Amino acid sequence: DIQMTQSPSSLSASIGDSVTISCRASQSIGFHLSWYQQRLGEAPKLLIYAASTLQSGVPSRFSGSGSGTDFTLTISSLQPEDFATYYCQQSDNTPLTFGGGTKLEIK
Amino acid sequence: QVQLVQSGTEVKKPGASVKVSCKASGYIFTDYYIHWVRQAPGQGLEWMGWINTNTGGTNYARKFQGWVTMTRDTSLTTAYMELTSLKSDHTAVYYCARGEIPADYFDSWGQGTLVAVSS
Repeated sequence: DIQMTQSPSSLSASIGDSVTISCRASQSIGFHLSWYQQRLGEAPKLLIYAASTLQSGVPSRFSGSGSGTDFTLTISSLQPEDFATYYCQQSDNTPLTFGGGTKLEIK
Repeated sequence: QVQLVQSGTEVKKPGASVKVSCKASGYIFTDYYIHWVRQAPGQGLEWMGWINTNTGGTNYARKFQGWVTMTRDTSLTTAYMELTSLKSDHTAVYYCARGEIPADYFDSWGQGTLVAVSS
């Protein structure tokens, strides 16, 4: 199975800050990487797929990059609604696997 | 608009079974797979498997084989997931999600169904 490792597991930031979350795959997955946002008590929401393609309706302050084994999600100019938990997910091979999550909290 | 609406909270005793439904609307049901994802209390997301809504074929993650069954009814545009031989550590929120073919990312999610297992 492909293991997905996210870092950090949590971070604190202020409104207006820019943050970066990392995701590393245990083997190369090409561009088969997606990012999700999960607010407390809600279902996850797709932000980015194919490593860098922004899902329709997602604000442009979200961006993704990377390929192979190393990927990043960047959120620029943090807004109050961005404080949530973020997950990466690989779709190169089954079983599909998620990273452990990164909880983004207000400083 | 695309919607996935799941059945409500279930409270079950150990050893029981439960069947969760996921009603799809706003798109052609058989053009996308339905995946099921588990989230234990305070934990992350875990993929359980998918059902090909066109053929009924399934692909389960190894740890769920033997006690999870995914089915669908195309006339009702509804997918189902049955869990058998429930244990307390099966307590979780179970989500259905629409999966892009063949890219396997999830662009729409149900609201989640809490299955609580307690004696």
